[in-house]
Amino acid sequence: DADVTQTPRNRITKTGKRIMLECSQTKGHDRMYWYRQDPGLGLQLIYYSFDVKDINKGEISDGYSVSRQAQAKFSLSLESAIPNQTALYFCATSEGPGRVSTDTQYFGPGTRLTVL
Amino acid sequence: AQSVTQPDIHITVSEGASLELRCNYSYGATPYLFWYVQSPGQGLQLLLKYFSGDTLVQGIKGFEAEFKRSQSSFNLRKPSVHWSDAAEYFCAVGAQTGANNLFFGTGTRLTVIP
Repeated sequence: DADVTQTPRNRITKTGKRIMLECSQTKGHDRMYWYRQDPGLGLQLIYYSFDVKDINKGEISDGYSVSRQAQAKFSLSLESAIPNQTALYFCATSEGPGRVSTDTQYFGPGTRLTVL
Repeated sequence: AQSVTQPDIHITVSEGASLELRCNYSYGATPYLFWYVQSPGQGLQLLLKYFSGDTLVQGIKGFEAEFKRSQSSFNLRKPSVHWSDAAEYFCAVGAQTGANNLFFGTGTRLTVIP
């Protein structure tokens, strides 16, 4: 079984709808991350969480919110989806205790989201 | 500000040939540098990383990378490419201050022909 799982793997929705993407991990890591990947732009950090009570904004948090329900679960929400949020979304985990910039991050398979 | 440039969007090599993927970074201090690989339909997997010390870093799957401070580069190499190496490769730089983000390049897609 995969260590980092994401659901759904694919989702098509309409503008204005609320969407939640879920991430679960069995690695026992404290740290979890959400990234967005756009063609030709690489990955950009949306939010990250160092533990259940520590959530931080990344480069591009506007239009997104997150919830860390437990050590193993980290959800990303789009409260009112818009077409330019169409992208591939990745969840990742890391063990810590170093900085975000030095942790080895383990990625899930991604969720492809299309907003019409 | 930190940034990473991968000048080659797409590279095609023959199986068995050598490979070099280019990565240039912009950062005011000594960077933390990474190479990740993304196979089709998969998440990213760490190939190797450089924090300090020996500037030639060995990674998994026979890859290596060399940190050249004078050229602000961290190029990825493999002496003999296998068909299974076909994937997208991302270089990333880690910031040591501020939000401590990991900044990714735009990726290089590798095609391997028989």
